[in-house]
Amino acid sequence: EAGVVQSPRYKIIEKKQPVAFWCNPISGHNTLYWYRQNLGQGPELLIRYENEEAVDDSQLPKDRFSAERLKGVDSTLKIQPAELGDSAVYLCASSLYVGGSYNEQFFGPGTRLTVL
Amino acid sequence: GNSVTQMEGPVTLSEEAFLTINCTYTATGYPSLFWYVQYPGEGLQLLLKATKADDKGSNKGFEATYRKETTSFHLEKGSVQVSDSAVYFCALDGGSNYKLTFGKGTLLTVNP
Repeated sequence: EAGVVQSPRYKIIEKKQPVAFWCNPISGHNTLYWYRQNLGQGPELLIRYENEEAVDDSQLPKDRFSAERLKGVDSTLKIQPAELGDSAVYLCASSLYVGGSYNEQFFGPGTRLTVL
Repeated sequence: GNSVTQMEGPVTLSEEAFLTINCTYTATGYPSLFWYVQYPGEGLQLLLKATKADDKGSNKGFEATYRKETTSFHLEKGSVQVSDSAVYFCALDGGSNYKLTFGKGTLLTVNP
């Protein structure tokens, strides 16, 4: 079974440029998460989707970050414009929500963003 | 709010040594507790979990016991291998069943 796929694995951009990250979750997983992991820190949740609906985006900096999950499968996270402080690893995870219970989250390898 | 504090690394051990990585937490309610492992170049993987007090999670020789009285979930392994070299994260789900709060991670290096 294929795991969570993310691309690109690495991205280097100049500040003020836009950037986008793509995630393909495990087939059949209806819940998708985006986390940000700063250097030397644990991941922090940015947004959670159930199918195509963003059910928790309270930690997403909405002035510059946006996300979408069209058709409830793949998802894209965008930053525009990027700032130096956005340098981090962006992780995508997916899980199966069944009968009021969330199951184990499976993580992708992440996209390492460097903003110069 | 919820928080997780884990032992700062890096931790360097020789093969077959005993491992302990300390983890304490602060949470309201009755959280579930997890240890995740991140091998070089890979995503986070669930190593073990415990969902209620006194539960012991175990996997691949690693163990951790949910201690409510000390709000701790320390990770242990009796004999580490070189292949255990990775970053280990303690995490909790504060009862919402989906939102994970992670510690900062502990880098473990095992030398032959």
